[in-house]
Parts: sequence; structure tokens; C-alpha cells
Amino acid sequence: GENVEQHPSTLSVQEGDSAVIKCTYSDSASNYFPWYKQELGKRPQLIIDIRSNVGEKKDQRIAVTLNKTAKHFSLHITETQPEDSAVYFCAKATGANNLFFGTGTRLTVIP
Amino acid sequence: DVKVTQSSRYLVKRTGEKVFLECVQDMDHENMFWYRQDPGLGLRLIYFSYDVKMKEKGDIPEGYSVSREKKERFSLILESASTNQTSMYLCASSWDSGTGAEAFFGQGTRLTVV
Repeated sequence: GENVEQHPSTLSVQEGDSAVIKCTYSDSASNYFPWYKQELGKRPQLIIDIRSNVGEKKDQRIAVTLNKTAKHFSLHITETQPEDSAVYFCAKATGANNLFFGTGTRLTVIP
Repeated sequence: DVKVTQSSRYLVKRTGEKVFLECVQDMDHENMFWYRQDPGLGLRLIYFSYDVKMKEKGDIPEGYSVSREKKERFSLILESASTNQTSMYLCASSWDSGTGAEAFFGQGTRLTVV
């Protein structure tokens, strides 16, 4: 299969702390790694993505790092806020046409 | 704004029925996807399509088929619905950028098979 392992499955942090979610994959051909956020009752939406020729990308409080050698990538959220509470999914693509997701992480930010 | 629309928000079908889930996108995207979402299992890819009449199996194609006769429409077919196909089904579409692109999701169809 096109396994993407995602950990942890649940994460609780105090408001203002950082949150880190990690994903691992097995095939060397994967070259696109997006992260999606799904709020309760809503559809998943892209929050950040990274391509295989880049090691790190940052957008305000969120950042993604990629280690192609070790085949893992991580989402970092700093200064967490209650509105960051959601389910986060990592994903990977091989080429332009497919998109496989991880199992999701439920993040709870405690005010 | 990109719009991906699924034909039904909620659907209840009987075991053995043939079920059609329809998805339409209005941004001329080449790629379209069908996922099912179950608690603890994330988004599992059933089928995807990168062009009209072209389709590829995802991780869990068993019990499903798809149809893409027009670029904007991608249909998921359950040939003979079973109770283990009770789930949330999500359709998505994206550009063919050559190196991966943002996927836009529909609102989902919650299917219950009784």
C-alpha cells in the first residue's frame, strides 16, 4: 500500500505551547508533502505543503520540515491558540496525480 | 473560489442496493479523487482519476468502481452496498501541476447502509 504513518493520534497542549506532529513514509519516489486541517464538521483544507527539493518551509506560526533520507516530515505549530484545535492530516504524493493521507492527529489546545 | 460539490450530504441505502455518489468541480481540474473517512483510519484513497475515462486504484478499491465521462464529474459506484461501506465519503480535485498541488474537497456524503 501507500502507507503514511502519522503520530501521535491525539495531542493536547496548553495555549501558547508548541505542537509537533510527525509522519513517516516508505517509498523514495514521493515528492510532495502537504498538511491539511479539518475542523469539526468541515472539509479538510490545505495549511502548508513542501516539495522534495526543500528541507523546511515556514508560514507565520506553522512550519514543515522534511528529511528525505530518513523519509519523515513534521508539522510544527508554535504559540498555539484555541482555534488551532482540529484534526491534522499529513499526506504524500508520488508524481502529480495521486495523494495518500495519514491517519490524522486530533490536536486540542487547552486555554 | 474553487467549488467541489457532492450530490448528497446524507444518504441511507439498503444492503445490496447499487449506490451512486456524484461529485462535480468547476475549476477544470485534471485530477479527481474519492476517499472514505473513518475514525482512527484517516482518509483512505479509494480511486483517483487524472483525465477523462482514466482511473487508478487507490488503497481500498474493493467493492467500488468509478466513472469519469466528463472532466468536471467523477462518480463513485457501490455495485452492491454492504454495511461495512457505511462511512463518510469525500471527493476532491486538484490541478495537474506536474509535482503535486492543493486538493480541494467537497462537503462530504455520509452514507449509511442498513
